[in-house]
Amino acid sequence: QKEVEQDPGPLSVPEGAIVSLNCTYSNSAFQYFMWYRQYSRKGPELLMYTYSSGNKEDGRFTAQVDKSSKYISLFIRDSQPSDSATYLCAFERDSNTGKLIFGQGTTLQVKP
Amino acid sequence: DTAVSQTPKYLVTQMGNDKSIKCEQNLGHDTMYWYKQDSKKFLKIMFSYNNKELIINETVPNRFSPKSPDKAHLNLHINSLELGDSAVYFCASRHEMREQYFGPGTRLTVT
Repeated sequence: QKEVEQDPGPLSVPEGAIVSLNCTYSNSAFQYFMWYRQYSRKGPELLMYTYSSGNKEDGRFTAQVDKSSKYISLFIRDSQPSDSATYLCAFERDSNTGKLIFGQGTTLQVKP
Repeated sequence: DTAVSQTPKYLVTQMGNDKSIKCEQNLGHDTMYWYKQDSKKFLKIMFSYNNKELIINETVPNRFSPKSPDKAHLNLHINSLELGDSAVYFCASRHEMREQYFGPGTRLTVT
């Protein structure tokens, strides 16, 4: 079983749609949960960071963590063409080293 | 101002050659990382240095050797390049237990 599973997509939605991106993980030792956004030919950038179960909201973005089910989600409301990118979930077990385990990434296209 | 920079951005070379990629960060961070992203966008950590000390050394061929001359620089040297080394290599940096900032990547193509 892979440590992290993420559907690579691609996912295509119309502008204004609500987008749901998901990852499952198997390692109970993961303590920190992140979503990175990566535009084409650019480096990943941190979008959301959380360490507890529940929801965390930032503008149009909501990160959800369910530790009991080992499942994290990212919701994007009112999606915009500028949200078109690859979204990578990432997990950290040891904050001392900062070693991140990434999902494969989901490619999202938001059509105007 | 560029926070994390990498040179070169593109590198095309033949099998068997030796090449280096350089990374510099001007953020004052104390930890730096090398990641490899394959053609399927899978991003995997390779190495990490904290204040010039190697703290993460994943299972990678020993043809790959990182070097950190000071805490603002982390270089990656690759010997005897193989076709499978073709990928995008990202450098990242982090201060204490905070987010990682990624560089723009170096696209390596081995022919």
